[in-house]
Amino acid sequence: DTEVTQTPKHLVMGMTNKKSLKCEQHMGHRAMYWYKQKAKKPPELMFVYSYEKLSINESVPSRFSPECPNSSLLNLHLHALQPEDSALYLCASSLRYTGTDNNSGNTIYFGEGSWLTVV
Amino acid sequence: ELKVEQNPLFLSMQEGKNYTIYCNYSTTSDRLYWYRQDPGKSLESLFVLLSNGAVKQEGRLMASLDTKARLSTLHITAAVHDLSATYFCAVGSGGSNYKLTFGKGTLLTVNP
Repeated sequence: DTEVTQTPKHLVMGMTNKKSLKCEQHMGHRAMYWYKQKAKKPPELMFVYSYEKLSINESVPSRFSPECPNSSLLNLHLHALQPEDSALYLCASSLRYTGTDNNSGNTIYFGEGSWLTVV
Repeated sequence: ELKVEQNPLFLSMQEGKNYTIYCNYSTTSDRLYWYRQDPGKSLESLFVLLSNGAVKQEGRLMASLDTKARLSTLHITAAVHDLSATYFCAVGSGGSNYKLTFGKGTLLTVNP
């Protein structure tokens, strides 16, 4: 089962709201990611968690707050967002890179995404 | 800073024809990914290329990697309408190759 599950699929929120996006995988992956994708643009990395620790923060504004409660779950807490934050938010996961092994563990699997609209 | 350039950005082709999408990247990497994205959908993993000279094929798609030239290609053979989608290449970087930098994507339209 190569599935990354994201909820909700669609979210509309006001600029003063607090909401969260959730991501779950049961593939035993120890690296999890948040990407942001604007319309007709490529995905852009926001955060990487490795073994439940934040490894990479791509200078994302503090109104986005990631959380990794355990190895299967990844949340993205949203607060005081701006309309320009409206986008598709993609969660992804992969086995931790351990060398030059050539198996499918190197694949980074993406969830279906959460469409966020900030009004 | 790693830069990833894909070309062409738009490709309109007829069914049955062959074509190649190119992906150039600016710094050393040993990990190159190809993804497909349908409109309004997420990214579907197509290939992971890990070493110089790697070639992988799935159906009408074949991907290759030349790490010395910093070039990957996605070759489409005898295109069919179902292949219409946006195709992204992405290059891994960072100490554990966690960071993917994507090309701008190639919007492929296959016409009957």
